[in-house]
Amino acid sequence: EIVLTQSPGTLSLSPGERATLSCRASQSVSSSYLAWYQQKPGQAPRLLIYGASSRATGIPDRFSGSGSGTDFTLTISRLEPEDFAVYYCQQYGSSPQTFGQGTRLEIK
Amino acid sequence: QVQLVESGGGLVKPGGSLRLSCAASGFTFSDYYMSWIRQAPGKGLEWVSYISSSGSTIYYADSVKGRFTISRDNAKNSLYLQMNSLRAEDTAVYYCARDSFTGYYFDYWGQGTLVTVSS
Repeated sequence: EIVLTQSPGTLSLSPGERATLSCRASQSVSSSYLAWYQQKPGQAPRLLIYGASSRATGIPDRFSGSGSGTDFTLTISRLEPEDFAVYYCQQYGSSPQTFGQGTRLEIK
Repeated sequence: QVQLVESGGGLVKPGGSLRLSCAASGFTFSDYYMSWIRQAPGKGLEWVSYISSSGSTIYYADSVKGRFTISRDNAKNSLYLQMNSLRAEDTAVYYCARDSFTGYYFDYWGQGTLVTVSS
């Protein structure tokens, strides 16, 4: 199974700053089948990015994804107060599909 | 709009059973693969099982294989998870989620139902 390692575990930034979250896979993720989700306390995850770089419906363009192979990045260009949450990556190119352990984005 | 509403969670003793349900609305349920994903308290996400649109293809995570059974009733727009031989480590919020048409990622999620396995 592909293990996804997200870094950093916690990221402390201020509104208006740029956030860069990393997701590294133990093996190459085929066809860039990588997704990103946002989860706020007490809520279900929300799909942000699929196919490594495609934004889901209704997701603001300050969210962008990039990468291929084993290294992927989620970038939030200018943080809004509502962006502080936990972010998970997921690979769906190999069975079983797996999630990273999450990055907590907190207000500095 | 797409809605997924889980029910059936609760407190159960180790070795016990529970059946979760997920009622779907706002889309053509019979067209989509569906999955169950769980999240232990304070932990990350773990995919549990998925079922194809017709129910003919089913996969399970190794951690639940042989104990959990996923099923669906397309006439009732409903997804189910029968959980047997429950263990403490099965304690989690269980989400039902819709698999996207374009890949095994999840474009809509329910609000989740909490399953607690404890004596």
